[in-house]
Amino acid sequence: NAGVTQTPKFRVLKTGQSMTLLCAQDMNHEYMYWYRQDPGMGLRLIHYSVGEGTTAKGEVPDGYNVSRLKKQNFLLGLESAAPSQTSVYFCASLTGRAANTGELFFGEGSRLTVL
Amino acid sequence: ELKVEQNPLFLSMQEGKNYTIYCNYSTTSDRLYWYRQDPGKSLESLFVLLSNGAVKQEGRLMASLDTKARLSTLHITAAVHDLSATYFCAVLKAAGNKLTFGGGTRVLVKP
Repeated sequence: NAGVTQTPKFRVLKTGQSMTLLCAQDMNHEYMYWYRQDPGMGLRLIHYSVGEGTTAKGEVPDGYNVSRLKKQNFLLGLESAAPSQTSVYFCASLTGRAANTGELFFGEGSRLTVL
Repeated sequence: ELKVEQNPLFLSMQEGKNYTIYCNYSTTSDRLYWYRQDPGKSLESLFVLLSNGAVKQEGRLMASLDTKARLSTLHITAAVHDLSATYFCAVLKAAGNKLTFGGGTRVLVKP
């Protein structure tokens, strides 16, 4: 049981390049979230998903796209990276079942630098 | 839109003294979470609060939830240096399942 796994852990991009961050969870959770955290700041929600095949915008969705084709995977894409997207990205998942304690699981983070 | 506000943003503590961090939110919530984050690390789960009046304690930390006031508190008893970290609350909105974080409270415990 690996929990929530993010890949890659580190990446350096040039402005204009594209990339995809993968978040994988093995707990059969319904809800998954992508956040970014800038230095000294809190977590801001980029996009989230409440089930396979569904996605929704968070607070800062511009410049990002997401997909949830499989329940266990939530992908975050940057089509044309910009220096303003330099950040640490965190993925989280939790079950939607009301009977559960509702614990929220986080990945280890992915540090992205855009030059 | 759900807004989550923490205060204070920064808390300088003396060892042995008691302190409280506040988390206010603007709309009906389903769950409230408290997390700890050390520099350069991911978030570590502290508490999940599911209902009004819920109180949970772990060591020197105690969290409570008042859904009518839309307020949660994280109380630190007899602070020690190991508690230095940034603490976040997060609220899961009842409708739509959007999970929103507060801005965090940076805690520094001085000897």
